[in-house]
Amino acid sequence: GENVEQHPSTLSVQEGDSAVIKCTYSDSASNYFPWYKQELGKRPQLIIDIRSNVGEKKDQRIAVTLNKTAKHFSLHITETQPEDSAVYFCAAHRPGTASKLTFGTGTRLQVTL
Amino acid sequence: NAGVTQTPKFRILKIGQSMTLQCTQDMNHNYMYWYRQDPGMGLKLIYYSVGAGITDKGEVPNGYNVSRSTTEDFPLRLELAAPSQTSVYFCASSYEGAAGNTIYFGEGSWLTVV
Repeated sequence: GENVEQHPSTLSVQEGDSAVIKCTYSDSASNYFPWYKQELGKRPQLIIDIRSNVGEKKDQRIAVTLNKTAKHFSLHITETQPEDSAVYFCAAHRPGTASKLTFGTGTRLQVTL
Repeated sequence: NAGVTQTPKFRILKIGQSMTLQCTQDMNHNYMYWYRQDPGMGLKLIYYSVGAGITDKGEVPNGYNVSRSTTEDFPLRLELAAPSQTSVYFCASSYEGAAGNTIYFGEGSWLTVV
């Protein structure tokens, strides 16, 4: 089955700096890669996603890049703000499996003043 | 819309007890899921359903059962609770499968088995 590895497990940046979180996946057939943000004690919420036919997608300060050859994808947050502090999860979906989203283990991002 | 609603939010169970986590969604989504999240870990799929009357196992189904008698409801049953089932449980739903369709999560149910 699919295996998703996520690094780093914790990340501390100063406000205004950029943050990058990286994920690798094992199944080359996976074609959909969402990112979820989970604030402390809250539910995960989708922040951005990318399909395998696209190399990059941006939404304001957030961007995701995908390298299908290397089987890795990354979340980039620019101009970080304290409200970006949360746990971020990447995930991968393999077609033919109705609901099988395989999640990474999460990255705890701390944005310091 | 309330979205995905799950109850209870917190529960302490004794080893061997049983309980049901309730989940309902009002978005007319076909797909519903139950995930568990252990401390410092990602989300593991327990069971999922692609529509009323249809359920299937996820990655970690042992010790759990589900039913889907209506589109709205997807309860998760824990039989003979064990300490290993101490976790946060999230119910979720999506209009279709996970491929490109946003999965909406409930607020979570914190379960402790002692």
